[in-house]
Amino acid sequence: AQSVTQPDIHITVSEGASLELRCNYSYGATPYLFWYVQSPGQGLQLLLKYFSGDTLVQGIKGFEAEFKRSQSSFNLRKPSVHWSDAAEYFCAVGAGDNDMRFGAGTRLTVKP
Amino acid sequence: EAGVAQSPRYKIIEKRQSVAFWCNPISGHATLYWYQQILGQGPKLLIQFQNNGVVDDSQLPKDRFSAERLKGVDSTLKIQPAKLEDSAVYLCASSPSVDTQYFGPGTRLTVL
Repeated sequence: AQSVTQPDIHITVSEGASLELRCNYSYGATPYLFWYVQSPGQGLQLLLKYFSGDTLVQGIKGFEAEFKRSQSSFNLRKPSVHWSDAAEYFCAVGAGDNDMRFGAGTRLTVKP
Repeated sequence: EAGVAQSPRYKIIEKRQSVAFWCNPISGHATLYWYQQILGQGPKLLIQFQNNGVVDDSQLPKDRFSAERLKGVDSTLKIQPAKLEDSAVYLCASSPSVDTQYFGPGTRLTVL
């Protein structure tokens, strides 16, 4: 079965600084990869997804992620973080049957 | 387009009591999921329905948890009897096919 590792439990960045959240997956075939964001008391909102094609994926709110098969990674990036980006970020990997597994999440704190 | 609806948003019960959660997916979405999200962790799939049939319930603690989707639309998740470790947010999601899952706001359950 597929699995996801998010190595960083908590990251703090200054507003305006760049951001990279790490995600490593384990799956035998080409995975479906997702990044979700969860604000306190809210459900999960999809930021972006990768199914196939261009390995650099653009998402909402200025986020992007790059699929690197050789590294089994799907890291999330943003060039300039805003205070409103403070939230919990979850990477997820899905198989063709819609079976999705989530990582434990990375909590992002944004310093003024 | 209306999103996934869940109720109640919050529930506090004592251990050994019963509780039920309701989910109304996005119209036309054939697949419905229930997840359990314990504080500090990523969501864990409990059960997946395709229309009114169960696709995957391998992680559902069947001695106390049950779920149904009788008419292939809305769904209920029940816990009977509840234990302290069931305290979590219960998320419902729906999907039109092998694609993105759309999440509801969740029900936060506290078991005392």
